[in-house]
Amino acid sequence: EPEVTQTPSHQVTQMGQEVILRCVPISNHLYFYWYRQILGQKVEFLVSFYNNEISEKSEIFDDQFSVERPDGSNFTLKIRSTKLEDSAMYFCASSEALFTGTKNIQYFGAGTRLSVL
Amino acid sequence: KQEVTQIPAALSVPEGENLVLNCSFTDSAIYNLQWFRQDPGKGLTSLLLIQSSQREQTSGRLNASLDKSSGRSTLYIAASQPGDSATYLCAVLSGNTPLVFGKGTRLSVIA
Repeated sequence: EPEVTQTPSHQVTQMGQEVILRCVPISNHLYFYWYRQILGQKVEFLVSFYNNEISEKSEIFDDQFSVERPDGSNFTLKIRSTKLEDSAMYFCASSEALFTGTKNIQYFGAGTRLSVL
Repeated sequence: KQEVTQIPAALSVPEGENLVLNCSFTDSAIYNLQWFRQDPGKGLTSLLLIQSSQREQTSGRLNASLDKSSGRSTLYIAASQPGDSATYLCAVLSGNTPLVFGKGTRLSVIA
């Protein structure tokens, strides 16, 4: 069964450094998402991406964050100048369709645990 | 703005018991509702997804129901086992917003 893959599984970085989290969505999916879960808190939506541009973003997704689809398979989340409070699990997801129909199911990767020291 | 609430926040039951986890949402105009399992420090495992046109879905010992008009879903786990111990998350797709998650119910099944 096709799956969303995320690398690395765990990333440790120093405060102020830039990190890039990588995701390979399911190949025929058109919509891509990043979510974040700070330890002990809810999973929160960060950003959605379609047709090579951001379709929606939350208030969490400020100028520190950016997303990119650098080639036909990868989808990346870049966090510039990381802060302690960026420590969280980051989940990538993808779907064939956005809202309506049976193809609106979002499939999640296993996540990348980001630890900012 | 969609909000998802899960009750109880934590639940401890003896092995073999049947149990119900609850999820409520404020905006009933949803496209689908999904139940996930999350083990400590791990990713999200999708358990069941109910489209807005459906009333329930079943997988093995799990049964999820959806009452859109009242903004509620339940996850029923039959004959619970220690291996069912995990946090169960409910997430709703609605409006123009990608998935909105509840905070989860932390389940402990005691052998």
